[in-house]
Amino acid sequence: SQQGEEDPQALSIQEGENATMNCSYKTSINNLQWYRQNSGRGLVHLILIRSNEREKHSGRLRVTLDTSKKSSSLLITASRAADTASYFCATSGSARQLTFGSGTQLTVLP
Amino acid sequence: GAVVSQHPSRVICKSGTSVKIECRSLDFQATTMFWYRQFPKQSLMLMATSNEGSKATYEQGVEKDKFLINHASLTLSTLTVTSAHPEDSSFYICSARVGRAYTDTQYFGPGTRLTVL
Repeated sequence: SQQGEEDPQALSIQEGENATMNCSYKTSINNLQWYRQNSGRGLVHLILIRSNEREKHSGRLRVTLDTSKKSSSLLITASRAADTASYFCATSGSARQLTFGSGTQLTVLP
Repeated sequence: GAVVSQHPSRVICKSGTSVKIECRSLDFQATTMFWYRQFPKQSLMLMATSNEGSKATYEQGVEKDKFLINHASLTLSTLTVTSAHPEDSSFYICSARVGRAYTDTQYFGPGTRLTVL
């Protein structure tokens, strides 16, 4: 069964606005990763945050991790139409396998 | 960056036939590859972990006789869906893991859309 739950399931915003997606998980992790998937395509790795890190930035992406609450958030600033995609969090634990969240479908309107 | 390819990208077959999907790491060697299945508007579900030179490890509920996995080399893993049925129609995605540390990253192939008539 999937470990992670993401909310919202779907998010629609205007170009230029910020988009925030949240991910919760159930067991201890080594790291948490965020991926993007365009419709009908494979996954693109966005960012990895280790369990001992609290925040990480990469370009317009900002990821936070709260291991006490077993949650993470992905913030995309100044969104563009090209950011329209599904976003998944994935946790990696002792087995070093990825367990994916349910995903958030982001639509950025031009 | 690391590139993973899959072939074919799309396949349509009749019920009862077998379909082979290839996953290749193009510019790196991958000791471990993973196979996922994704139904429409759902997340990825891990089917099996494939290690070069050894038998694949299947997740609970995945029939190993139905989904045959072979990892013949450090750059190639294959998934064969045997005697496919309409319920096997799905998007199959492979990934290859680089590195051995806990920060290792999986690189994903573009996926294979299987439609069983």
